[in-house]
Amino acid sequence: EVQLQQSGAELVRSGASVKLSCTTSGFNIKDYYIHWVKQRPEQGLEWIGWIDPENGDTEYDPKFQGKATMTADTSSNTAYLQFSSLTSEDTAVYYCNACYSTYKFAYWGQGTLVTVSA
Amino acid sequence: IQMTQTTSSLSASLGDRVTISCRASQDISNYLNWYQQKPDGTVKLLIYSTSRLHSGVPSRFSGSGSGTNYSLTISNLEQEDIATYFCQQGNTLPWTFGGGTKLEIK
Repeated sequence: EVQLQQSGAELVRSGASVKLSCTTSGFNIKDYYIHWVKQRPEQGLEWIGWIDPENGDTEYDPKFQGKATMTADTSSNTAYLQFSSLTSEDTAVYYCNACYSTYKFAYWGQGTLVTVSA
Repeated sequence: IQMTQTTSSLSASLGDRVTISCRASQDISNYLNWYQQKPDGTVKLLIYSTSRLHSGVPSRFSGSGSGTNYSLTISNLEQEDIATYFCQQGNTLPWTFGGGTKLEIK
């Protein structure tokens, strides 16, 4: 069974950075793309980007370029999303998801709530 | 590409047939996916490439459309279908989502 287990909620200060994790099981992470999606409170979904864990290639939505950094560790089947210079606009739930293709999001994690305080 | 779901909320009765619409700002060549988000935040892929049912999704869900106009249909609405539904285009980067349609029981 494909599963994605995300790290716990974070409360961080404005201006700080945060690194979220997404540990996968039930499939070979090298065979899938890992995507990250942002959802602000009572808002819709925003695609942040994807990473190909096999070679580390990434694709970002331009509005997150320089703000978000995606990495992956195939030895632990874990993907990471780091956000820097956090502001209140970054308060959101962040989801990881996995798919063997780039254009859809087949399997989702439970989400990680990041709250940025002043 | 802008994705628009003109109906932000929809109320229906159990057993009803429900249709949710999504419009793209340009032709997305059937690269249209639908997702279900439950009130607890759980998200699932329902339909991909306009009309292909994702593994494990009940057959009461179906999708159709072409060009810029797409729709998700739920036949015989069940209690467990109470959720918010999002469309997403996978034709042109960056991938974008519609604003969501919240489905409630009448």
